[in-house]
Amino acid sequence: DAGVIQSPRHEVTEMGQEVTLRCKPISGHDYLFWYRQTMMRGLELLIYFNNNVPIDDSGMPEDRFSAKMPNASFSTLKIQPSEPRDSAVYFCASSFGGAGNEQYFGPGTRLTVT
Amino acid sequence: EDQVTQSPEALRLQEGESSSLNCSYTVSGLRGLFWYRQDPGKGPEFLFTLYSAGEEKEKERLKATLTKKESFLHITAPKPEDSATYLCAAWGGATNKLIFGTGTLLAVQP
Repeated sequence: DAGVIQSPRHEVTEMGQEVTLRCKPISGHDYLFWYRQTMMRGLELLIYFNNNVPIDDSGMPEDRFSAKMPNASFSTLKIQPSEPRDSAVYFCASSFGGAGNEQYFGPGTRLTVT
Repeated sequence: EDQVTQSPEALRLQEGESSSLNCSYTVSGLRGLFWYRQDPGKGPEFLFTLYSAGEEKEKERLKATLTKKESFLHITAPKPEDSATYLCAAWGGATNKLIFGTGTLLAVQP
């Protein structure tokens, strides 16, 4: 298996622009997680899905952030409009059988908003 | 509030010099304690899950232990390739999700 795939790996955009991050989980996994990592706050869960349904989005910072999972093999995290404080590394992870089971992380997308 | 604290923030060891990393947690109803390794520019990689106080797990030069308040990651005779950031995460409390600490950056010098 190729593991969790994320794209793009790097994204540089200007404040106010829309940003879309993409994730393909491991085939067969029924949980998908979006995390954000910064030096100050570490790794924070933004939202997670079970069988394509959002279960907990309490970590989404504000209405500028939205996430979708239209099918079992694809998810997006969208930021509109983007702000400099959104600069971080965004990780997607997937697991099988539960939110507390071993999570497999993708390589991350490094987002820079200028 | 559920919280996970790791110490030290950074640790520099000589090759072969054993040491331990600490992960303290305040999570009611802990269901699992996870350790991950993260290399620069990569996503975290799973190492261990511990489920109950007194449990221990080993993998090569690493051994993880768990008490009711903290977990330790013991590194025996480390090698330069063990250099990475080690993250711990607690699962339990009021939410069904992992709460991560900010990690310990380990550097092993040859």
